[in-house]
Amino acid sequence: GAVVSQHPSRVICKSGTSVKIECRSLDFQATTMFWYRQFPKQSLMLMATSNEGSKATYEQGVEKDKFLINHASLTLSTLTVTSAHPEDSSFYICSVPERGAGNSPLHFGNGTRLTVT
Amino acid sequence: QQQVKQSPQSLIVQKGGISIINCAYENTAFDYFPWYQQFPGKGPALLIAIRPDVSEKKEGRFTISFNKSAKQFSLHIMDSQPGDSATYFCAATGSGNTGKLIFGQGTTLQVKP
Repeated sequence: GAVVSQHPSRVICKSGTSVKIECRSLDFQATTMFWYRQFPKQSLMLMATSNEGSKATYEQGVEKDKFLINHASLTLSTLTVTSAHPEDSSFYICSVPERGAGNSPLHFGNGTRLTVT
Repeated sequence: QQQVKQSPQSLIVQKGGISIINCAYENTAFDYFPWYQQFPGKGPALLIAIRPDVSEKKEGRFTISFNKSAKQFSLHIMDSQPGDSATYFCAATGSGNTGKLIFGQGTTLQVKP
């Protein structure tokens, strides 16, 4: 069964608005979750690590003020795309380590297709 | 040094044939190499993974071959089926953090009936 639940699966928003994406770990508590982005017909790129109880850590080139991450609980991480612009249109996918910790196999949610008009 | 290079970009195989996808890496600190399968509009699903202490790992029709000295690893899909048609990604990471994956560019596999 599904290990990771992501919501919504699709969202269309107008330029300048903010969008929140939720990622839930269904089977276990996760102290870390990971957010990836995938542009059409391209590979996945790690955006940031969501850390329970502390600030998220962002990969080089990812704007932390634009992509707000909140690890609200041991089973929930949210990604908020603030002041979205068309270039933010992408497939955002969260992931959770199998045993809730960073050294176990990584499982991905079904992603959120964001379209900014 | 952080790249993972994957080939071919696309692959067409007849039903029942063997699909082979190759990946190469440069960073010798990498110590975990998973393969993911992704269908259109879905997130990637973990297929199989290997660590450098073994040269081969098999799970059902899927086999990873690993060549540490050459810094290469490959996925073999035996008896390929039309349902295997998807995009496959290799990945790599090190330092015990399997969440920070470096992905290859992906291979789109089409299995013809």
